Amino acid sequence: QKEVEQNSGPLSVPEGAIASLNCTYSDRVSQSFFWYRQYSGKSPELIMSIYSNGDKEDGRFTAQLNKASQYVSLLIRDSQPSDSATYLCAVNSGGYQKVTFGTGTKLQVIP
Amino acid sequence: EPEVTQTPSHQVTQMGQEVILRCVPISNHLYFYWYRQILGQKVEFLVSFYNNEISEKSEIFDDQFSVERPDGSNFTLKIRSTKLEDSAMYFCASSPGVQETQYFGPGTRLLVL
Repeated sequence: QKEVEQNSGPLSVPEGAIASLNCTYSDRVSQSFFWYRQYSGKSPELIMSIYSNGDKEDGRFTAQLNKASQYVSLLIRDSQPSDSATYLCAVNSGGYQKVTFGTGTKLQVIP
Repeated sequence: EPEVTQTPSHQVTQMGQEVILRCVPISNHLYFYWYRQILGQKVEFLVSFYNNEISEKSEIFDDQFSVERPDGSNFTLKIRSTKLEDSAMYFCASSPGVQETQYFGPGTRLLVL
């Protein structure tokens, strides 16, 4: 069973701080990694995709991938109250089309 | 910006009834998916569809479920005889290629009474 693990939170950070979200996955042959944001009652919205080891930055967001440690993270700089949501880590394993989601980490940004 | 659309946004049905959930994927995408999310739980894969046939399905996607692309734009999920435990949010997604980013529609909230 391929698993994607996340701390469910909630993770509370003050406005303007850096939020750090973490995810581990069990399948070593995983090739594609995604962070989605989900507001309550809404659909997952893509934040970032990452495919190779290292860091990938997009605005206030940085994704980090370490395939050797089977670990992917998302940093949110200058956190805003509007960033308060559940952040879903999703992994696509080699040879498969489905994406396996973690349970999500709930982020609360305190004004 | 192109987006995945889904109808209806909400559907209430009686146990044992058939429901059809509809999706219009992004027009140049080749892979289509259905996922579901039971309230308070994680998003779960149901099925993927490519080149007019099912390419992958989960253990959840049993004989009561079917998918179809009836024309060049729509992609449907049919639940033949709904059960109480089918109550969930159903998301359609599409991607341009395999293992590429999947873009999700707004979802259909299904309630089975």
